[in-house]
Amino acid sequence: GAGVSQSPSNKVTEKGKDVELRCDPISGHTALYWYRQSLGQGLEFLIYFQGNSAPDKSGLPSDRFSAERTGGSVSTLTIQRTQQEDSAVYLCASSYSRTINYEQYFGPGTRLTVT
Amino acid sequence: AQSVAQPEDQVNVAEGNPLTVKCTYSVSGNPYLFWYVQYPNRGLQFLLKYITGDNLVKGSYGFEAEFNKSQTSFHLKKPSALVSDSALYFCAVRDNQAGTALIFGKGTTLSVSS
Repeated sequence: GAGVSQSPSNKVTEKGKDVELRCDPISGHTALYWYRQSLGQGLEFLIYFQGNSAPDKSGLPSDRFSAERTGGSVSTLTIQRTQQEDSAVYLCASSYSRTINYEQYFGPGTRLTVT
Repeated sequence: AQSVAQPEDQVNVAEGNPLTVKCTYSVSGNPYLFWYVQYPNRGLQFLLKYITGDNLVKGSYGFEAEFNKSQTSFHLKKPSALVSDSALYFCAVRDNQAGTALIFGKGTTLSVSS
């Protein structure tokens, strides 16, 4: 079946511009996560959605970062006024439920380069 | 606070030899442990998990991991390495008392030589 998809696969933007990254989770998965993978930093949790509940935004690094999830499916991560330190691979994951024993399935990621 | 440590940045092993990728964790409650693998320019793929039950967990591609509560470890193992196992491996933990986000280690690059 179809896995988690993300678009674009690569994005190059100028410092100060806004960017939107899209994630389409696996059909039927109610939980959706965004992570950031930076060189030498491993994976960093950003934000988590579960159904219609308020998202867990505890991992967002600054107020320039925001995310929404429409209709309990597709999610968009927005970075405003991008900075060079925002350059990273942004990974989206989904899981069947927020229940902690369900594994997360990851998309291929969006590589963001801020010049 | 939850944390995961992967003490080796890189592990080198010859094809056919056993491999071990180390992981230790720190959580306040009961740990839920995961291993993921990342091939170049690909997303993370789930390998295996420990939730409860037998301490030895078997997963995809012949990998297994052993949960050791006293040593707070969850080392990934494979009896006979393949060149195609060469990839970046991540250990991750969830704390049943602290929410649902995964906390990842920094990753270990496994290189299997022919």
